[in-house]
Amino acid sequence: QSALTQPASVSGSPGQSITVSCTGTSSDVGGYDYVSWYQQHPGKAPRLMIYEVGNRPSGVSNRFSGSKSGNTASLTISGLQADDEADYYCSSYTTSSTLVFGTGTKVTVL
Amino acid sequence: QVQLQESGPGLVKPSETLSLTCTVSSGSISSYYWSWIRQPPGKGLEWIGYIFFSGSTNYNPSLRSRVTISVDTSKNQFSLKLSSVTAADTAVYFCARVSHYFDSWGQGTLVTVSS
Repeated sequence: QSALTQPASVSGSPGQSITVSCTGTSSDVGGYDYVSWYQQHPGKAPRLMIYEVGNRPSGVSNRFSGSKSGNTASLTISGLQADDEADYYCSSYTTSSTLVFGTGTKVTVL
Repeated sequence: QVQLQESGPGLVKPSETLSLTCTVSSGSISSYYWSWIRQPPGKGLEWIGYIFFSGSTNYNPSLRSRVTISVDTSKNQFSLKLSSVTAADTAVYFCARVSHYFDSWGQGTLVTVSS
């Protein structure tokens, strides 16, 4: 299975909104509403930020939102803050009952 | 909130078998799926496989020939074995609880493959 495709980097100024894309195929992203997003700060374990395309776990800021159109999912961070600077990974369930991660995106707050 | 902790050797010789255990606390291992994920230094996340508490498994096709994940419900633990390791298997290995997403993670443990 191939990794989902994410841009290597996305940047924005404090207070702005940014969007990170995650492109797969009809066998993963496009086939199910089982896309999730993770935030990872250096040296730390990933943290679940969005599950099942657009749901936020308890404790995650409502500045984080997710959506999907066809084979591409998106994570939007609004009101960008310094602590949002991190690596972000998408993940999807697949038709083989496996899971696959995206290539990862480094978000920089200018 | 369930907690997970990885344990095992931090150094493994090439061609040998990497073995790690994940201990689940503040919750039962029953009725959930459990997974292993790895991250080579400076690189992205790679899903290795998952196991249901009953023992059924599924693995990443690229690693399937070398991976075995097992569960011990009496100890609230699940384990990873990766055979015939090479330097390319050097990574931080994470364990996590999984449904269609990974909602609880261990802190990760670095395993280096070197002679």
